[in-house]
Amino acid sequence: AQRVTQPEKLLSVFKGAPVELKCNYSYSGSPELFWYVQYSRQRLQLLLRHISRESIKGFTADLNKGETSFHLKKPFAQEEDSAMYYCARNYKLSFGAGTTVTVRA
Amino acid sequence: ETGVTQSPTHLIKTRGQQVTLRCSSQSGHNTVSWYQQALGQGPQFIFQYYREEENGRGNFPPRFSGLQFPNYSSELNVNALELDDSALYLCASSWGGSYNSPLHFGNGTRLTVT
Repeated sequence: AQRVTQPEKLLSVFKGAPVELKCNYSYSGSPELFWYVQYSRQRLQLLLRHISRESIKGFTADLNKGETSFHLKKPFAQEEDSAMYYCARNYKLSFGAGTTVTVRA
Repeated sequence: ETGVTQSPTHLIKTRGQQVTLRCSSQSGHNTVSWYQQALGQGPQFIFQYYREEENGRGNFPPRFSGLQFPNYSSELNVNALELDDSALYLCASSWGGSYNSPLHFGNGTRLTVT
């Protein structure tokens, strides 16, 4: 089965500290990877996609085909980054189980 | 730009009953995907509709079925409800019938089966 794995269910960091959310996927064909985010009381929304190679809200993610990873990083976390983050890939639109990020003041 | 809307927001059904959930896609989108999200889990892909036909399906039994209408809105039907069907059902719209297009989600329908 095609899988997306997010090993951390919970991640707590201090404001201003770096944050990294891990995502691994099972290899198949030409993967396209996404990160989605859900802020409190909001709907799930796209944060970024690897093909765009852009930084959104200070977040970046690099697709590493050798390690089959697509980790999400931000050098300086902000309190407004507290949210649920999901990694997803294009095979039948598979989602990981999600990581809850809490940024403490 | 009109976003994805789902109805109803909440629903309570009894085991064995049937339920229909509705979704209006974002303007300009012609593809609708449905997801089931159990508590503490990520969204699980049910199926995708494109040009009024099923365009891919996840590991869900045939009692989960759907429709897409000419205006690109969609329905998810679940027959013979089971207790494990209790979940948040998410609809997402996108463009072009591809799995590579970003998804735009609705707020979901919370289904409780008793």
